[in-house]
Amino acid sequence: GENVEQHPSTLSVQEGDSAVIKCTYSDSASNYFPWYKQELGKRPQLIIDIRSNVGEKKDQRIAVTLNKTAKHFSLHITETQPEDSAVYFCAASIGYSTLTFGKGTMLLVSP
Amino acid sequence: DTEVTQTPKHLVMGMTNKKSLKCEQHMGHRAMYWYKQKAKKPPELMFVYSYEKLSINESVPSRFSPECPNSSLLNLHLHALQPEDSALYLCASSQETSGRAFEQYFGPGTRLTVT
Repeated sequence: GENVEQHPSTLSVQEGDSAVIKCTYSDSASNYFPWYKQELGKRPQLIIDIRSNVGEKKDQRIAVTLNKTAKHFSLHITETQPEDSAVYFCAASIGYSTLTFGKGTMLLVSP
Repeated sequence: DTEVTQTPKHLVMGMTNKKSLKCEQHMGHRAMYWYKQKAKKPPELMFVYSYEKLSINESVPSRFSPECPNSSLLNLHLHALQPEDSALYLCASSQETSGRAFEQYFGPGTRLTVT
């Protein structure tokens, strides 16, 4: 089955800095890669996703890049703010909407 | 309506109790999911319903029994649970599951404590 590795497990940055979270996947048939943000005690919230026919996608301060050859994808957050503090999960799917999640990255943004 | 709702928010039950978790969505989605999430871990898939039929059961113990009465509702019936079943139970929905991955949207979850 699919295996998703996510790094780092914890990331601390100063407000205004950029943050990058990286994931690798094992199954080259995976074609959908969403990112979820989960604040403490709340639901996972879909923040951005990318499909295998696209190399990069951007939404305001958030961007995701995909390298199919290397089987890795990354989340980039620019101009971080304290409200970006949360746990971020990457995931991969081989169609059919069954997601395999990474173990999560706790992002801490200090004012 | 772009939300998935779940009730109750919190549930405490003994090991001999029977209880049910409920999930509802009105986005016209035809796929619904149950996940279990332990603290500091990712969501773990339990069941998938597609067009109101159970399509995936991730080898979940029979003390968890899912039910999909209609395309908007999803229930999880609980019976004879163990303390290690204490977790956040998340419901999610997506357009469908046929041939491509669609965005999954999560409900707020039910925090379950088994005593």
